Amino acid sequence: GQQVMQIPQYQHVQEGEDFTTYCNSSTTLSNIQWYKQRPGGHPVFLIQLVKSGEVKKQKRLTFQFGEAKKNSSLHITATQTTDVGTYFCAGRRNTGKLIFGQGTTLQVKP
Amino acid sequence: NAGVTQTPKFQVLKTGQSMTLQCAQDMNHNSMYWYRQDPGMGLRLIYYSASEGTTDKGEVPNGYNVSRLNKREFSLRLESAAPSQTSVYFCASSSGQGFSGYTFGSGTRLTVV
Repeated sequence: GQQVMQIPQYQHVQEGEDFTTYCNSSTTLSNIQWYKQRPGGHPVFLIQLVKSGEVKKQKRLTFQFGEAKKNSSLHITATQTTDVGTYFCAGRRNTGKLIFGQGTTLQVKP
Repeated sequence: NAGVTQTPKFQVLKTGQSMTLQCAQDMNHNSMYWYRQDPGMGLRLIYYSASEGTTDKGEVPNGYNVSRLNKREFSLRLESAAPSQTSVYFCASSSGQGFSGYTFGSGTRLTVV
């Protein structure tokens, strides 16, 4: 069954509002990755987090890895219409397989 | 452009027909993967190949077979298509190192009627 849970499933925001998606694993992860999939497109790798408590930023996007390495979050500040899409987290355990969350679909109203 | 190439992009099959989805990468990656994507289900791993000459089952392998033809190519075969296999199929590759991101192909949209 699904071992990486992601919430919320959908989020509608007004342009300029902030957005956060959360990812939770039932087991400790060796690392976690984030991907973005535009409507009708394919997933594109954004970033990887490896260390406990790690925080990384890419312009308006902030990624965090929890202290226990079981959860992660992606926060977008001041959303733009170009942020529309589905954001997936993917966790890797020591077995090496990458397990994807169900994704959070973001809609941005201009 | 360097990346992962999937063919075909679209396909409609009748129940019971067979077909092979093709995937090739030119990044000299060791590992290749096949995922299916269904609404609300995220990406589910069908089969993967950690390196040339090896293949392993993923989360949802039933009804599928794979072949790692060489380092570049990894094909997915549906022997007897069923409506439950209607989905979007993505091939992906990675260097195989524990900390590398996946590069995905553009996908194959398959409908089984």
